[in-house]
Amino acid sequence: DIQMTQSPSVLSASVGDRVTLNCKASQNINKYLNWYQQKLGEAPKLLIYNTNNLQTGIPSRFSGSGSGTDFTLTISSLQPEDFATYFCFQHNSWPFTFGSGTKLEIK
Amino acid sequence: QVQLKESGPGLVQPSQTLSLTCTVSGFSLTSNSVHWVRQPPGKGLEWMGGIWGDGSTDYNSALKSRLSISRDTSKSQVFLKMNSLQTDDTAIYFCTGLRPRRGFAYWGQGTLVTVSS
Repeated sequence: DIQMTQSPSVLSASVGDRVTLNCKASQNINKYLNWYQQKLGEAPKLLIYNTNNLQTGIPSRFSGSGSGTDFTLTISSLQPEDFATYFCFQHNSWPFTFGSGTKLEIK
Repeated sequence: QVQLKESGPGLVQPSQTLSLTCTVSGFSLTSNSVHWVRQPPGKGLEWMGGIWGDGSTDYNSALKSRLSISRDTSKSQVFLKMNSLQTDDTAIYFCTGLRPRRGFAYWGQGTLVTVSS
């Protein structure tokens, strides 16, 4: 199975900050990397699919980049509603696997 | 508009069988696949298994011996059955719709299942 490693596990930041979350795959997953946002008590919400494609309705302050094994999610200017946990997810090969998450908290 | 909704018992006794239903609308079960993902409290997400448009199934190898996924296309429902439940099976169980080459795009609200006597 492909292992997905996210860093950092916790990130403290302030409203207005630019933040970068990292995700590393244990083997090449091409471009098939998604980012999900999850708030407490809610289902994961698809933000970005296939590395850098913004899901419909997601604000443009979210962006993704990377290829192969190393990927990043960038939030250009944090808003209060962005404080949540973010998971990366590979759908290049079965079984599909998730990272362990980065919790973005208010500094 | 695609909607998925999980239903089932909130409490299951150890060693018993869990049965969950995912009711789907706006998403054809014969053209798409639906999967189950679970999340223990405060932890990460684990893909459990899924059923494809042709009715075939795939399971996480760690759960394969205990897990069964089926469907009733006439009712737009997907079913999960998992036996021999233990306390570490306590989790929120989500059903999710797979969009080809876009990953899990559609999610139910999740249902909390607690395994306890």
